[in-house]
Amino acid sequence: EIVLTQSPATLSLSPGERATLSCRASQSVSSYLAWYQQRPGQAPRLLIYDASNRATGIPARFSGSRSGTDFTLTISSLEPEDFAVYYCQQRSNWLYTFGQGTKLEIK
Amino acid sequence: EVQLVQSGAEVKKPGESLKISCKSSGYTFTHYWIGWVRQLPGKGLESMGIIYPHDSETRYSPSFQGQVTISADKSINTAYLQWSRLKASDTAMYYCVRLHYFETSGSNWFDPWGQGTLVTVSS
Repeated sequence: EIVLTQSPATLSLSPGERATLSCRASQSVSSYLAWYQQRPGQAPRLLIYDASNRATGIPARFSGSRSGTDFTLTISSLEPEDFAVYYCQQRSNWLYTFGQGTKLEIK
Repeated sequence: EVQLVQSGAEVKKPGESLKISCKSSGYTFTHYWIGWVRQLPGKGLESMGIIYPHDSETRYSPSFQGQVTISADKSINTAYLQWSRLKASDTAMYYCVRLHYFETSGSNWFDPWGQGTLVTVSS
C-alpha cells in the first residue's frame, strides 16, 4: 500500500503570500496524483489532476508539480477563500488513498 | 451540469440498519465508477469502495470490506451505501464521488463530490 505523507500539517500565511504544500509518496508512483480543497463545512472539490492539470474553473494561481515521489501544490498569491484543508490522493491496485491533509490557516 | 445529490442526515441507534443514497444527473450513469468516501469528525478522507453501475462490479478498500455494502440501481441513476448493524464508530460524514479512471494510463481522480450525508449513531 502506498502511503501519502503531506507536509506541513498546518501552514500559517497571510493573504497575498505564496503557499507551498507537499505530498510525498512512500514508493514510486506514476504522475496520477490529484489535489483537493475542503473549505470548512463544505465537501471537498477537485483542484488538480494528473499532478499538474487544473480542474475546470480552478484559478490559475493554483498549480501542481512533481519531482520523483514528491508532489507540490503551489498557490501563487493567497486569497481569503484559499484558507482551507488540502488533500492529495492517488491510486494503487484499486486502492484509493488520501494524504492526511494540510490545513492552510490565516496568520 | 454533472451533479451528485445525496440523501439527508440520519440519526440512528447502534445495531440499526441504514441505507443512504446518491443520485446522479447530467451524465451517463453507467459510464463512470461511483465511490464512497468517509470523513470521521475532525479527520481526513478515507476511500471506502467503488462501484461500476454498468455491471455492478464493486471494489472495497480492505478496511471496509465486510463492514458496508455498496450497490447501484442504474434504472434510477442512484448509488447506495448500506450498513446492516451500525456502530457508534460509524458516526461520520459520507460523500459519494464520481471516479474518473482511465484504464489504459491509470489516470484517476474524483469529481464531482456529493454534498455529503451526516450519519450519527448514538444510543
